[in-house]
Amino acid sequence: SAVISQKPSRDICQRGTSLTIQCQVDSQVTMMFWYRQQPGQSLTLIATANQGSEATYESGFVIDKFPISRPNLTFSTLTVSNMSPEDSSIYLCSVATVQGGEVGAFFGQGTRLTVV
Amino acid sequence: GENVEQHPSTLSVQEGDSAVIKCTYSDSASNYFPWYKQELGKRPQLIIDIRSNVGEKKDQRIAVTLNKTAKHFSLHITETQPEDSAVYFCAARRNDYKLSFGAGTTVTVRA
Repeated sequence: SAVISQKPSRDICQRGTSLTIQCQVDSQVTMMFWYRQQPGQSLTLIATANQGSEATYESGFVIDKFPISRPNLTFSTLTVSNMSPEDSSIYLCSVATVQGGEVGAFFGQGTRLTVV
Repeated sequence: GENVEQHPSTLSVQEGDSAVIKCTYSDSASNYFPWYKQELGKRPQLIIDIRSNVGEKKDQRIAVTLNKTAKHFSLHITETQPEDSAVYFCAARRNDYKLSFGAGTTVTVRA
């Protein structure tokens, strides 16, 4: 499987500020996604990071709040903008990549964000 | 969009017993069904997956079954051990590669 490096692993931020999370993959992947896991909850898809074009956002998520970049096939960033305590979550980068001839789905280690 | 329901939300089993978690999905276009194990403070780890052209898959003590007609799939863990204690998530995926997750099952294996 692809090795996915995500940073920072955790951060404590002041409300009203922004945090950019980076996701680096050790091989070229077609599909990259960003998920959010609120405390004690399941994972929810924020958006699909599209290489060289604007990300595709899911219902309830907007570009102004969660701008995403993907300049190439191995790297993406997610910014959480104008943060409030409700943004405290784990943010996870995910890739769909071929393993054993099939396309699997794997996650970075996540960024645990606390907004105070 | 896809809706995945997962039951039970919590499961407590005696060490050595079996654990079964069930999920249903709504979108008949879904064709890939992974299961993830998430230990406290860690990322979800893919433990087993099944594709729509297969009815059952087994990997040591873990097995997954899929009933496409009924749109449900299940995770079976046999001979449970304390290290099996974790939160387990099922998911369903269509050709767009987007995962829809169940709500999760907290499994506790009692020694």
